[in-house]
Amino acid sequence: AQSVSQHNHHVILSEAASLELGCNYSYGGTVNLFWYVQYPGQHLQLLLKYFSGDPLVKGIKGFEAEFIKSKFSFNLRKPSVQWSDTAEYFCAVNARGGNKLTFGTGTQLKVEL
Amino acid sequence: DSGVTQTPKHLITATGQRVTLRCSPRSGDLSVYWYQQSLDQGLQFLIQYYNGEERAKGNILERFSAQQFPDLHSELNLSSLELGDSALYFCASSVESSLAGVEQFFGPGTRLTVL
Repeated sequence: AQSVSQHNHHVILSEAASLELGCNYSYGGTVNLFWYVQYPGQHLQLLLKYFSGDPLVKGIKGFEAEFIKSKFSFNLRKPSVQWSDTAEYFCAVNARGGNKLTFGTGTQLKVEL
Repeated sequence: DSGVTQTPKHLITATGQRVTLRCSPRSGDLSVYWYQQSLDQGLQFLIQYYNGEERAKGNILERFSAQQFPDLHSELNLSSLELGDSALYFCASSVESSLAGVEQFFGPGTRLTVL
């Protein structure tokens, strides 16, 4: 069975600081990888996804993530965060050809002015 | 707005009761997924339907059931409710039954409070 670990549960940054959120998954086969964001009081929105090809994927709002197969990782990065990035971030994995998303426990990001 | 709608937004009920949550997928999407988000369990996949048929099951309790109707909307039925069932229930939809190359679009969720 697949599983996802997000190591940082709460992160507090100042505006303009760089962000990196860790995500590791456990699954022996080929996977699709996702980062979702949940702004306060809102539904989950897709930030970016990796299916195949270039392991560095760029998403919306300046976010990017790098798939490192050897490390089973898919870390999320942003060079300069904004106050509006305050939200909860979820990493998710889907076994290629499977039907369900397995989510990590989420990272609560707070960006201070 | 993802195009996925869920009703009601909030539901408050008592232990032992039964409730029905409703989800309408995005236009053209055939798959509907249900997830439960709670503080202690995080975001967990419950069940998936594709074009009216059950396709995948996750950590769904026997007290819970779901169905997808011919118009593709789906209902999640929760019975014999317990305090621990209090959670945010999300519905998501996608075009195909498999997630290969396809993303899921999430609805705003239904917050269930069991007193």
